[in-house]
Parts: sequence; C-alpha cells; structure tokens
Amino acid sequence: KAGVTQTPRYLIKTRGQQVTLSCSPISGHRSVSWYQQTPGQGLQFLFEYFSETQRNKGNFPGRFSGRQFSNSRSEMNVSTLELGDSALYLCASSLAPTSASYEQYFGPGTRLTVT
Amino acid sequence: AQRVTQPEKLLSVFKGAPVELKCNYSYSGSPELFWYVQYSRQRLQLLLRHISRESIKGFTADLNKGETSFHLKKPFAQEEDSAMYYCALKLHSSASKIIFGSGTRLSIRP
Repeated sequence: KAGVTQTPRYLIKTRGQQVTLSCSPISGHRSVSWYQQTPGQGLQFLFEYFSETQRNKGNFPGRFSGRQFSNSRSEMNVSTLELGDSALYLCASSLAPTSASYEQYFGPGTRLTVT
Repeated sequence: AQRVTQPEKLLSVFKGAPVELKCNYSYSGSPELFWYVQYSRQRLQLLLRHISRESIKGFTADLNKGETSFHLKKPFAQEEDSAMYYCALKLHSSASKIIFGSGTRLSIRP
C-alpha cells in the first residue's frame, strides 16, 4: 500500500506570497491532518479534515487554510507568507477520526522556506 | 491547558544500558498517550500507544495517572534505537488533534 505522499517536497517563497501544499492520503483513509514543525515550536496541529469538512483547527491565524476533496486528497494554503512560516509541514492520514484502531500515518513533509 | 513535557532534549546512553525517556502531561480529561519515533531521514511513525499495553522493539510505556507520566523504557539499548522520540497526547474532545512534546533525541553510543 502506498504511503502518504506530499507535494512538493521543497518550496522557496518570498514574503507576501501565497503557497499551496498538497497531501494524498493512504488509499481508504478519509481523515487528513496537518501539522507544522519548527525548531522553536516543535510539532503543532494545524487542522483536520474528514469527509471534506474541517473538524478541528489549531491556534493558527486565518492565513492558514485548507480543504479536502471528495477523493480525500487535501490541500493547505498559506497566504501573505511571513518569515516565521518557514517550517516543515507534515500531513497525516488515518482511516477516520473516530476509528477505534486509531493510528495516523505521516507523510515525508514539505519543507517551506520563506525569504 | 493541555501540555506535554519532555524534559530532556538529548539523552545519550551506551549500548546495552537501560533507557528511559521521560514524558509528563497535563490534561483534565481522560488521556490517550502515544510515543512517536523519527529515525534519521525517515518519516514520523507511531511507536506505541498506551491503550495497547504492548512492547514494540523492546520499548514499553506505562501510563501513570497519579504522576501524569508516560515514560518510555527499554532495558537494553541498541544502536538502531538512535532517533528522535516524541510523546503525544490525543484530546478526547477532538478526535485527531494531537499535542506533541518537544521531543528527545536519543543517541546510543557503541
């Protein structure tokens, strides 16, 4: 079974631009979560999608948004990029949020550098 | 507020020595706790979860609600255990919102 894939793997943007990151979950997984990983703040939850609906959101400004498509693929968007948005963005998928056999599988991440 | 604390940023032990990675949590609800591991140049992956009460790769972790701890232990460290370890808390009010600790880098010396 193919794992979680994220594209692109690396991205360089300048301040003020916007960026869209993509995540394809494991086949059959319907829940997708996004995390931001930085040296200073560690791993922080961004949001979670299930059945094309955002179920939960972390403490991030409105510049961070996302969506999920009917095939469970998900995108996250960051508008008006700031230097502090430089991070590794991780996507994780699971069967469903309320799955009794709960396990999230992580993708390799997208490394975003804002200059 | 919910919080996961891993007091050690780096833990270095000799091969064959016992290992204990500390994790303390703060949560008023019923906790679900996990340990995730990230080996060099690999993805973050689940190591074990407290509800399973299993031993994975020789590691065990016991939830101590009185001390609000979920320390990860292994009696005899192996070189391949060198990795970054994250303790994580899943909030019951939110199915997929996980709070991660800051991580401990475990280095096993030969």
